[in-house]
Amino acid sequence: DAKTTQPTSMDCAEGRAANLPCNHSTISGNEYVYWYRQIHSQGPQYIIHGLKNNETNEMASLIITEDRKSSTLILPHATLRDTAVYYCIVGKIQGAQKLVFGQGTRLTINP
Amino acid sequence: GAVVSQHPSWVICKSGTSVKIECRSLDFQATTMFWYRQFPKQSLMLMATSNEGSKATYEQGVEKDKFLINHASLTLSTLTVTSAHPEDSSFYICSAPETAKAFFGQGTRLTVV
Repeated sequence: DAKTTQPTSMDCAEGRAANLPCNHSTISGNEYVYWYRQIHSQGPQYIIHGLKNNETNEMASLIITEDRKSSTLILPHATLRDTAVYYCIVGKIQGAQKLVFGQGTRLTINP
Repeated sequence: GAVVSQHPSWVICKSGTSVKIECRSLDFQATTMFWYRQFPKQSLMLMATSNEGSKATYEQGVEKDKFLINHASLTLSTLTVTSAHPEDSSFYICSAPETAKAFFGQGTRLTVV
């Protein structure tokens, strides 16, 4: 599976949009981009995934560049409860359940 | 979304004893489940793939005789840490796939004293 690169940490003010970038320059045509987050001392939580079109759900939006080499997860109105480690993972849909986690981005939402 | 439940949430055991951790898919069936381990301030590391009705598949470097995995039904996988030692103290997490996504248990914090 392709490797991803994320910033180690980010800060965002409460109520503002949090934009988390991810680089996946070696992604192949049949690989999806998945985002999960882990709140301290809990299991990871699925957020969103996409192939090449932008996606939106009740939690977040996912913007994938046209060349698919990078993506951005957007939390439109961040709250304190969004403080977590966010993981960007690339994988094939049929193997997406077997996830290989990188170091992720530690997002801190400040009041 | 689908729910995966782990039990216990935390456990303290004496060195040399064995500990069993259960992972259940509550509202769906899972022929495959995955076990991860996470040390403090580190990311999750995949330990093994649990397959219903057959042997588990272990990642390189994970001792299969120490981490026994049983997937006896479509909703239950168990991880037994045998002859636990303090270095086995960690956060153990399971996951199960459902509609191309992975759903995770809440994790089990194991402390070996």
